[in-house]
Formats: sequence, structure tokens, C-alpha cells
Amino acid sequence: ILNVEQSPQSLHVQEGDSTNFTCSFPSSNFYALHWYRWETAKSPEALFVMTLNGDEKKKGRISATLNTKEGYSYLYIKGSQPEDSATYLCARWTGGFKTIFGAGTRLFVKA
Amino acid sequence: KAGVTQTPRYLIKTRGQQVTLSCSPISGHRSVSWYQQTPGQGLQFLFEYFSETQRNKGNFPGRFSGRQFSNSRSEMNVSTLELGDSALYLCASSLVQGEDYGYTFGSGTRLTVV
Repeated sequence: ILNVEQSPQSLHVQEGDSTNFTCSFPSSNFYALHWYRWETAKSPEALFVMTLNGDEKKKGRISATLNTKEGYSYLYIKGSQPEDSATYLCARWTGGFKTIFGAGTRLFVKA
Repeated sequence: KAGVTQTPRYLIKTRGQQVTLSCSPISGHRSVSWYQQTPGQGLQFLFEYFSETQRNKGNFPGRFSGRQFSNSRSEMNVSTLELGDSALYLCASSLVQGEDYGYTFGSGTRLTVV
């Protein structure tokens, strides 16, 4: 994998459903992985910065795991709420004043 | 604490013109990076500045340039505008390189080239 890839591109869930998305990145020369939430008409907001293999971060109902050896990270949302509707971006920090973003996963949560 | 401020919020320019966008980072942040977002695309990296020096540059033509001032404020310039330059331009600031805390983004400048 040369770039940061996110799947799925979009996701429609019902309120209360739990969901997860994937971010894949080059496993070599890993420095850090960021997750951002980008709500419509707002700025992207940092959720997590992940640096260690096996790292797991949690913020309320949202959590993320990291596997640097195989080059992927999962973002989980437990009990999705309509306010979770947003685009979720992951980004690979390359260690050289450059951060590469994936195209994002667009989440729609229906009440 | 003031956030990242980008001006102007909206801009309409004609093909062939040039444009300058401004970004004021969070106080104390020394790194400013710029991104372009077009419909269907993710955030495309333009460049990153730290201590008034461009540290890295994305795959954009030379028409895209920038600079950073001693107070860490940054400007981005696009010369000879093309229709394809219509996009949302976001800047983001961080203490150093964003590796520990991530980036704080501004609200963006929506550029339309007609």
C-alpha cells in the first residue's frame, strides 16, 4: 500500500448500531497515525494520535486500535448517534513535516 | 484560546488571476500546513512550514507557493488561476510537527475560479 486508504467510502447505520471503519497504510517506516472527525460546515477535529503497535485509544463511545506490523487501524463507534454523522479521516504522519490523509469514510446515522 | 484563523472565508476569482490566502495559527504553534480539498478527493497535502522555512511540499505545480512569517502566520499564493484550482483550502497548525497532538484546522477558504 503506497498511500493511506480508507474503507468503506460511506456507511449508513441506524441509531444505536455499532460500526467500524478501516484505515490501511504502508507498514514500513511508521511514525504516527491520526484520526479526525469532520462534521459538515465545521473544521476537521483531531480524535486520536496513535504511535505504538497495539495502541488502543478511547474517547467516550469512540475507540481506535492500531496494528503497525500489518499497516491498519480500526475506528469503532459503539451505539451510533445522529451526532456521530460526519466524515472520519485517518492520516499518516511521515516523520518529515508531511501528513498524508486518506479520502475518508462518510458516516450517516439515521435516527 | 483563539483557534486557527483563515481569511478570507470565500473568494471568487477569474481564470488567470492570482490569489493569496492567509492563515493565523494557534498562539505558540510553530508549524503550519496547507491542504486542498476538491469534491470526491481527500485532503491533498500542499506544503508545511516550520520556523519560516518550507519543510516539505506536495505534488502541486509551481503556481502554488507559500511563506511563513516570524509570528508563524502563513500565506499561500496561487498564481495564474485555473478552473481546477476551485477547492476548499484548509490550513492546520501544530506545536512542532503534529506528531503528538495532531493538527488543529482552520475553517478553510472556499475558492471558486470562474
